[in-house]
Amino acid sequence: EPEVTQTPSHQVTQMGQEVILRCVPISNHLYFYWYRQILGQKVEFLVSFYNNEISEKSEIFDDQFSVERPDGSNFTLKIRSTKLEDSAMYFCASRGGRGFSEAFFGQGTRLTVV
Amino acid sequence: QKEVEQNSGPLSVPEGAIASLNCTYSDRGSQSFFWYRQYSGKSPELIMFIYSNGDKEDGRFTAQLNKASQYVSLLIRDSQPSDSATYLCAVNAGANSKLTFGKGITLSVRP
Repeated sequence: EPEVTQTPSHQVTQMGQEVILRCVPISNHLYFYWYRQILGQKVEFLVSFYNNEISEKSEIFDDQFSVERPDGSNFTLKIRSTKLEDSAMYFCASRGGRGFSEAFFGQGTRLTVV
Repeated sequence: QKEVEQNSGPLSVPEGAIASLNCTYSDRGSQSFFWYRQYSGKSPELIMFIYSNGDKEDGRFTAQLNKASQYVSLLIRDSQPSDSATYLCAVNAGANSKLTFGKGITLSVRP
């Protein structure tokens, strides 16, 4: 069964360092998302991406964040200068074609900023 | 601010009982409604989605939607200990728009 794959599963980084979280969405999906979940809190939307551009972003997604789909298969989230409060689970999700369809989530990357 | 509220919980039921999970949402423009299950440290896993008013059944799960009351619920019949998890309600306003999640309800099924 097709699945969304995220790497790494766990990343530890020092405050101020740049991190890149990687995702391989389901191959025929068109819509891509990043969400995050701080421990004990709700899943929060960060950004959506369609047709090689950002379609929507939340107030969390400030200038420190960026997304790319560099090669037509990978979908990356970059945090330029990590802060302690960026520590969270980051989930990538993808959704199929136009119309109603469910989002499938990857297994997540646990980011720990020390 | 568009909100999804899941205020009841944690919920504990005996094995074999019916578990009833409730969710309300503030955005009247919401069009589709999802229930995800999340085990600790894992990603959300889709259980059911519903678009139309009324009930939708899938095995032991029934989703109920009442758009006039802005209310969606999930019933789990014949609850099993393996159903113990956090259940997340999520809504979106359009076919491909973002999901807005509630904080989740933790269900514990006692053997």
